Amino acid sequence: AQSVTQLGSHVSVSEGALVLLRCNYSSSVPPYLFWYVQYPNQGLQLLLKYTSAATLVKGINDFEAEFKKSETSFHLTKPSAHMSDAAEYFCAVGGGYQKVTFGTGTKLQVIP
Amino acid sequence: EAQVTQNPRYLITVTGKKLTVTCSQNMNHEYMSWYRQDPGLGLRQIYYSMNVEVTDKGDVPEGYKVSRKEKRNFPLILESPSPNQTSLYFCASSLTSGRALGNPSTDTQYFGPGTRLTVL
Repeated sequence: AQSVTQLGSHVSVSEGALVLLRCNYSSSVPPYLFWYVQYPNQGLQLLLKYTSAATLVKGINDFEAEFKKSETSFHLTKPSAHMSDAAEYFCAVGGGYQKVTFGTGTKLQVIP
Repeated sequence: EAQVTQNPRYLITVTGKKLTVTCSQNMNHEYMSWYRQDPGLGLRQIYYSMNVEVTDKGDVPEGYKVSRKEKRNFPLILESPSPNQTSLYFCASSLTSGRALGNPSTDTQYFGPGTRLTVL
């Protein structure tokens, strides 16, 4: 069985501030972990993925995530928020793109 | 242009009237998936396919059927739609399974624009 918990359904940050979106996972096997972004009225876009090759994963648009097995976490960060980062973000766990379970999402608001 | 297309984009129908939502990709991808998105529940995988004639259930397959007779197409079939299937549906495709280390800009999933279905 696998599951994902995203802490905070809404997060607000000021433009230029650190973005931190939290994700904790549960998996009975070594997990593959993903972060996706969904801009308003659009489909999803993959930001990054963890495949056990490295614990710190770099993705597109300067996003990063760190896999911490001891904490069962995979938090998403970005050093400096831009207005264009306002969107909904989903963490997911699975055996790849298939058999994947998503979290309920975190809406990021960026305040000018 | 690499893309995943879905049709129709919007559909209002009545309980019990069979419908098909089409999904097509032009990238020769092997892997395709269907998801539904509901407020407060995030996305949930309905079915996925790893190649022609190879499909498997996701987390919420009840009430849905799929087929993969051609590599480019992966239609979602609702034989007898019910109001609880009112949702936003997304199709996605990928060249790989997503298990290998790869550049997320290229080793990625491509999502369709979504189909908003209302079942009355």
